[in-house]
Amino acid sequence: ETGVTQTPRHLVMGMTNKKSLKCEQHLGHNAMYWYKQSAKKPLELMFVYNFKEQTENNSVPSRFSPECPNSSHLFLHLHTLQPEDSALYLCASSQEWESSYEQYFGPGTRLTVT
Amino acid sequence: GQNIDQPTEMTATEGAIVQINCTYQTSGFNGLFWYQQHAGEAPTFLSYNVLDGLEEKGRFSSFLSRSKGYSYLLLKELQMKDSASYLCASMDSNYQLIWGAGTKLIIKP
Repeated sequence: ETGVTQTPRHLVMGMTNKKSLKCEQHLGHNAMYWYKQSAKKPLELMFVYNFKEQTENNSVPSRFSPECPNSSHLFLHLHTLQPEDSALYLCASSQEWESSYEQYFGPGTRLTVT
Repeated sequence: GQNIDQPTEMTATEGAIVQINCTYQTSGFNGLFWYQQHAGEAPTFLSYNVLDGLEEKGRFSSFLSRSKGYSYLLLKELQMKDSASYLCASMDSNYQLIWGAGTKLIIKP
């Protein structure tokens, strides 16, 4: 595998379910990001991890819980979501945080909350 | 506040040239990025400008004017595979990317 991978690619869950999204990067990068992409809206940065430490949490509701066990893996744990949380969730990585290096994105998880 | 403006949708003809504009207002500035995103796929990096002027990379060029808070992406010799959304993003003083909503480019034969 190369680049940034995400699983699952599609997820349908009820509001009472608990699920997790997984991201893995094979680029040797030190920074990883979670974004939310809703139709016709700008990408919203959710969380940033740098060397496994969370550095940014952009006022994300607690029903989204990130986890970064090492520099290559990033998870987003989901519980008691709302229908408005339906969106494409993108993971990205970059060489360093707080730098102008470009970000490399995974293909995303299309989440539908019913 | 921080804001990025770009057109929602544009249409162009195969073989032609199209210019996608982007204006930005961010707290500080550490560069302007353009990404391409095909439907159902990941955004992929196209260009980065931090100094004024034109950067050319094959059929794609990107221009920046810092004094005007303005950038454009120029696509030449359009091909059907260029049909995609083009995302403009400005990096602010905290190195956070502030994203536009994207411009959907439709190429017609």
